Amino acid sequence: DIQMTQSPSSLSASVGDRVTITCRASQGISNYLAWYQQKPGKVPKLLIYAASTLQSGVPSRFSGSGSGTDFTLTISSLQPEDVATYYCQKYNSAPPSFGGGTKVEIK
Amino acid sequence: EVQLVQSGAEVKKPGESLKISCKGSGYSFTSYWIGWVRQMPGKGLEWMGIIYPGDSDTRYSPSFQGQVTISADKSISTAYLQWSSLKASDTAMYYCVRPLGQFRYFDLWGRGTLVTVSS
Repeated sequence: DIQMTQSPSSLSASVGDRVTITCRASQGISNYLAWYQQKPGKVPKLLIYAASTLQSGVPSRFSGSGSGTDFTLTISSLQPEDVATYYCQKYNSAPPSFGGGTKVEIK
Repeated sequence: EVQLVQSGAEVKKPGESLKISCKGSGYSFTSYWIGWVRQMPGKGLEWMGIIYPGDSDTRYSPSFQGQVTISADKSISTAYLQWSSLKASDTAMYYCVRPLGQFRYFDLWGRGTLVTVSS
């Protein structure tokens, strides 16, 4: 199975900072990569699919990039409401597995 | 409104059986796969398996094959996740999800069903 590795596992940044989260696949997955946001005590929410396509209603400060094995999720200007754990998910083949998550906090 | 409505929290003892449900509404239930995702306390997301209610085609993650059973009743637009003999390690939040394709990303999530297994 393809393994998904996220880094860092947690980060702390100031409001307004640019934040970047990395997701690496153990084999190439083209652009079959999604990102989810899970706020504390809440249901995960789809942010991005096809590596860089923003889901409807998601703020434009979120963006995704990458292809093959290396992907990034960027928050251009961190807001207090962005405190959450972010997960990547590959879906090129079964099983559509998740990365371990990156917890984002406000400094 | 397009939504997945899950059954309520459960508290069970080890060895007991359990079946939790997920009812889809606002869309054609038989035209989309329905899946299940586990989240153990303080941990990440794990894909368990999916079912296509139109013909009951079911696929499992190797990690969950033989441990749970996924089923669906298309007449009432409801999918199920069941255990025949619960273990303490089954304690988790279980989300039903709608993938946009067989092994695709999930655009719709239920609110989750918390299952607690404790003696």
